[in-house]
Amino acid sequence: ETGVTQSPTHLIKTRGQQVTLRCSSQSGHNTVSWYQQALGQGPQFIFQYYREEENGRGNFPPRFSGLQFPNYSSELNVNALELDDSALYLCASSFDSNEQFFGPGTRLTVL
Amino acid sequence: AQSVSQHNHHVILSEAASLELGCNYSYGGTVNLFWYVQYPGQHLQLLLKYFSGDPLVKGIKGFEAEFIKSKFSFNLRKPSVQWSDTAEYFCAVNEGNAGNMLTFGGGTRLMVKP
Repeated sequence: ETGVTQSPTHLIKTRGQQVTLRCSSQSGHNTVSWYQQALGQGPQFIFQYYREEENGRGNFPPRFSGLQFPNYSSELNVNALELDDSALYLCASSFDSNEQFFGPGTRLTVL
Repeated sequence: AQSVSQHNHHVILSEAASLELGCNYSYGGTVNLFWYVQYPGQHLQLLLKYFSGDPLVKGIKGFEAEFIKSKFSFNLRKPSVQWSDTAEYFCAVNEGNAGNMLTFGGGTRLMVKP
């Protein structure tokens, strides 16, 4: 068990809606990264938070935003959902830039 | 931006067969290299990693990988696969000066027939 938890497990939304996904990092970790894994593809880096600040961002539009809280848990928010946003969203936590531990993911379906 | 290629999308083997999964990356600078495994219904787990030193890296469950800098490759190997190795395998790369952000390959789905 990695200790990284994500909620919800599954989520169904319609196009144009907004969604918030949550991640609790492993105890002692201060860095959270989010990845999008479309069906049949490898995970793609969305962004990373380190000590409540965005610390790097992949090639995703501004409607993908995030937060990290003082307890190092994190949220991923996606506005104006599009059909192509349907994917498994993975959260990974680490202590600084050390090994990342992945959570089970949230499966988002956009109809 | 760097990219990671895994040329085998689907591999089917019988138990006890040898396994080699290819991984090539495009970045020419210092890299850290990883193989992750995703068993059915489970989360991504680290199999092995290479940061520096001996280019032949041994991981969990009998897996190993060899870093060949001149070929920009980090192929995963196992001498004798088991049915329990059925999973999806992902190669990932981290640029040495980019924290621990990972660029993943597209994955290889391995099925081992009993």
